[in-house]
Amino acid sequence: DGGITQSPKYLFRKEGQNVTLSCEQNLNHDAMYWYRQDPGQGLRLIYYSQIVNDFQKGDIAEGYSVSREKKESFPLTVTSAQKNPTAFYLCASRSGNYFRTGYYGYTFGSGTRLTVV
Amino acid sequence: AQTVTQSQPEMSVQEAETVTLSCTYDTSESDYYLFWYKQPPSRQMILVIRQEAYKQQNATENRFSVNFQKAAKSFSLKISDSQLGDAAMYFCAYRVGNEKLTFGTGTRLTIIP
Repeated sequence: DGGITQSPKYLFRKEGQNVTLSCEQNLNHDAMYWYRQDPGQGLRLIYYSQIVNDFQKGDIAEGYSVSREKKESFPLTVTSAQKNPTAFYLCASRSGNYFRTGYYGYTFGSGTRLTVV
Repeated sequence: AQTVTQSQPEMSVQEAETVTLSCTYDTSESDYYLFWYKQPPSRQMILVIRQEAYKQQNATENRFSVNFQKAAKSFSLKISDSQLGDAAMYFCAYRVGNEKLTFGTGTRLTIIP
């Protein structure tokens, strides 16, 4: 079955370390997104990519980096510059870029819980 | 910038009763999509219902329906015959074209047996 796989499910990081969260999809979707979820703040967009080798900053990109070398993969690196990285991270993908020819829904992964220790 | 506001951090309802979750949004666009997502304890995001702004008819999906008031920029979710499995966080979200989803802060719904 097609879907999005995020790994690992739980991740622990020491202060000063960079960590990379994996997001892989086999849906042949063009666009991919990274969201951060904190209690009481909903989901906030970190980075997104509409096409391979291209990506844009979202609302809270500082301290994060991404790459999109393959259509299937959109890894997120949480750098040591991110002051408060403990959060739940969700990856999503969306197919197509049409507005009225059909509905192209979002598919979400099951998330990664990152904790700084 | 588009914003989505959910003013009810928590709601509770008796099993089999009806509950309405509120959502308002701010936009200068005339054509857009609105969504309600459910996030159960597993934290998987599940699409509950969507509404196209150009459609006047309110969307319905089984026990879930919306009250879309475009002029008031309001998009509430009504859950009828509430079931224990409806307990979750519910997020209202907005999207223009193929741009990003913008989410509200969520409402935690508790079902009382």
